[in-house]
Amino acid sequence: QKEVEQNSGPLSVPEGAIASLNCTYSDRGSQSFFWYRQYSGKSPELIMFIYSNGDKEDGRFTAQLNKASQYVSLLIRDSQPSDSATYLCAVKGYSSASKIIFGSGTRLSIRP
Amino acid sequence: DTGVSQNPRHKITKRGQNVTFRCDPISEHNRLYWYRQTLGQGPEFLTYFQNEAQLEKSRLLSDRFSAERPKGSFSTLEIQRTEQGDSAMYLCASSLEGWGTMNTEAFFGQGTRLTVV
Repeated sequence: QKEVEQNSGPLSVPEGAIASLNCTYSDRGSQSFFWYRQYSGKSPELIMFIYSNGDKEDGRFTAQLNKASQYVSLLIRDSQPSDSATYLCAVKGYSSASKIIFGSGTRLSIRP
Repeated sequence: DTGVSQNPRHKITKRGQNVTFRCDPISEHNRLYWYRQTLGQGPEFLTYFQNEAQLEKSRLLSDRFSAERPKGSFSTLEIQRTEQGDSAMYLCASSLEGWGTMNTEAFFGQGTRLTVV
């Protein structure tokens, strides 16, 4: 079992709709959760982080965390063609010595 | 300081040669990560440092790979006797870690793309 799992996609969403990206993780002690966006040929760019159960909103982005289910998601409202990218879920454990582990990413395509 | 800096951006080398990459983290960041990424995959953890101490090296990593962060600032990643399978994007990221610090998110450099021919 991979430590961080994501559907590879591609996920195709019409422009203006809500894109929903999901991620599960295996380490129940994980405490910090991150979403990165990566355009083709570029390095990952942090878009959201969440530490507490529930929802966290930032503009068109909402991160959702459910530690009991070991599940984290990212919602993108009013999807734009510029949102087309690979979205990486990353997880970090409780200890300050814990490292950040990434999933394989979900490729999102917003169709006009 | 505008972010994490990696050099070179691109490196083409012949199989069997040694290569070294450099990463300059965000100046106040004490944690530095190295990852490797191939097409269609997420960043694969290689190793990381807290200040100058190397805390962990991936068990999957060949002994041909070594990394240093001698003064707790910049870091180098060396690959000896390169193989074609080493061709990938090598990413460096840095973060600020400490007791009571919740903002432990990592910021990436632009990466070094290695091609072994």
